Amino acid sequence: DIQLTQSPSFLSASVGDRVTITCRASQGISTYLAWYQQKPGKVPKLLIYAASTLQSGFPSRFSGSGSGTEFTLTISSLQPEDFATYHCQQLDSYPLTFGGGTKVEIK
Amino acid sequence: QVQLQESGPGLVKSSGTLSLTCAVSGDSITINKWWGWVRQPPGKGLEWIAETLHSGTTHYNPSLRSRVTISLDKSKNQFFLNLNSVTSADTAQYYCASRWYDNPYGMDVWGQGTTVTVSS
Repeated sequence: DIQLTQSPSFLSASVGDRVTITCRASQGISTYLAWYQQKPGKVPKLLIYAASTLQSGFPSRFSGSGSGTEFTLTISSLQPEDFATYHCQQLDSYPLTFGGGTKVEIK
Repeated sequence: QVQLQESGPGLVKSSGTLSLTCAVSGDSITINKWWGWVRQPPGKGLEWIAETLHSGTTHYNPSLRSRVTISLDKSKNQFFLNLNSVTSADTAQYYCASRWYDNPYGMDVWGQGTTVTVSS
C-alpha cells in the first residue's frame, strides 16, 4: 500500500496568513494526487486534482504543486471560510489511500 | 450532475452485517464512473473501502476485503455496501462517492454521509 504522510497534522494560523501543507507519498505517484477540504460536520469536497488543478468553485488563493513523492497545498491568504481539515489522497494504485489530514484552525 | 444519497440502518449489532445503499440520481449508473465507499471514524481521517464499475469490476481495500462486498443494481440506479462481522471499530460516518473512470482525478461527487454505530 502507498502511505501518505501529511504535515503538519494541525496548524494554527491567522486570517491573511500564507499556509502550506505537505503530503509525502511512500513511493512515486506521478501527479495522481487529490486534495479535499472538509469543514466540521460536513462532507469532504474535492479541492485540487492531478496535484495542481483547482476544482471549479474554489478560489484561486488555493494552489497545489508537486509530483512523485512530495506535494504541497498552499493557501496564499487564509480566509475565515478556509478553516477546515484538508486531506490528500493518492489515485495511482489500489488500495486508494488518504493522508491523515491537516486541521487548520484560527489563531 | 450526478447526486448521491446514502441510506441504511444507523445502528448495527456487533458481529452483525452493515448494509448500506447509495442512490444515484441525475444520470445513469452505467456512465463511466467508479462508484465507491469511504468511511470516517469519529474524530479520525478518511478510509477508502471499495469501488465498482457498472461492468461489475470491483476493487477493495485489503484491510477489509474478507468482510466487504460492493455491488450495484442497474435497474434501480443504486449501489450497495455490505460489511459483515462488524465491531466497534466499524463505527463511522459512511460516504458513497464517485470518480471518473478514465482519469485519476479524485472523487468529485459525494453523498451526504450516513452515521453507523455498532452496538454491543
